[in-house]
Amino acid sequence: DQQVKQNSPSLSVQEGRISILNCDYTNSMFDYFLWYKKYPAEGPTFLISISSIKDKNEDGRFTVFLNKSAKHLSLHIVPSQPGDSAVYFCAASAFVLNDYKLSFGAGTTVTVRA
Amino acid sequence: KAGVTQTPRYLIKTRGQQVTLSCSPISGHRSVSWYQQTPGQGLQFLFEYFSETQRNKGNFPGRFSGRQFSNSRSEMNVSTLELGDSALYLCASSPGQASGEQYFGPGTRLTVT
Repeated sequence: DQQVKQNSPSLSVQEGRISILNCDYTNSMFDYFLWYKKYPAEGPTFLISISSIKDKNEDGRFTVFLNKSAKHLSLHIVPSQPGDSAVYFCAASAFVLNDYKLSFGAGTTVTVRA
Repeated sequence: KAGVTQTPRYLIKTRGQQVTLSCSPISGHRSVSWYQQTPGQGLQFLFEYFSETQRNKGNFPGRFSGRQFSNSRSEMNVSTLELGDSALYLCASSPGQASGEQYFGPGTRLTVT
């Protein structure tokens, strides 16, 4: 049962333009959402997160938006740079057995064209 | 602090064999989780260990097992390997903070022939 879904497996964007990555979830118990970035041959690295009590969090070129009523979040990268080409995983966190458990989406491969 | 380390980085096995993968978490982290990554499937949660006890388990067959040692290092074992077990196996450690943020190792690329 995939509780976190990234319906776009890939995204191609021109350098300097905005990249928008989308993520949907089904479990209303999720209370923390994270984005991870993964380069080939490396493990995922944390990018940005948002608590369920907020609707927006910004960190430099990266902004995450959360729409709880729609159970939808998105990651905006502005402006997109060639080094942003990677796989991006959306993750949602729920409190399970005294600790938080992460559920991941399938990932979106972003390619930034020069 | 040193990051999460995984050994070996690459492994080739044949069907029916068994394999053991190792993970050393970040110093001070007591939670270790294992994930399987295959193309199109994202990160599939295998199990999580905390203080030598399996705390959470994903939907994988019993051929997949793990354990954690007193120094928080963890091993994952897959018995009777199948071709479909070919994947990148990622280990992540966590201090157990409220955000659930995890720190990943580089992974072990397992190829089953």
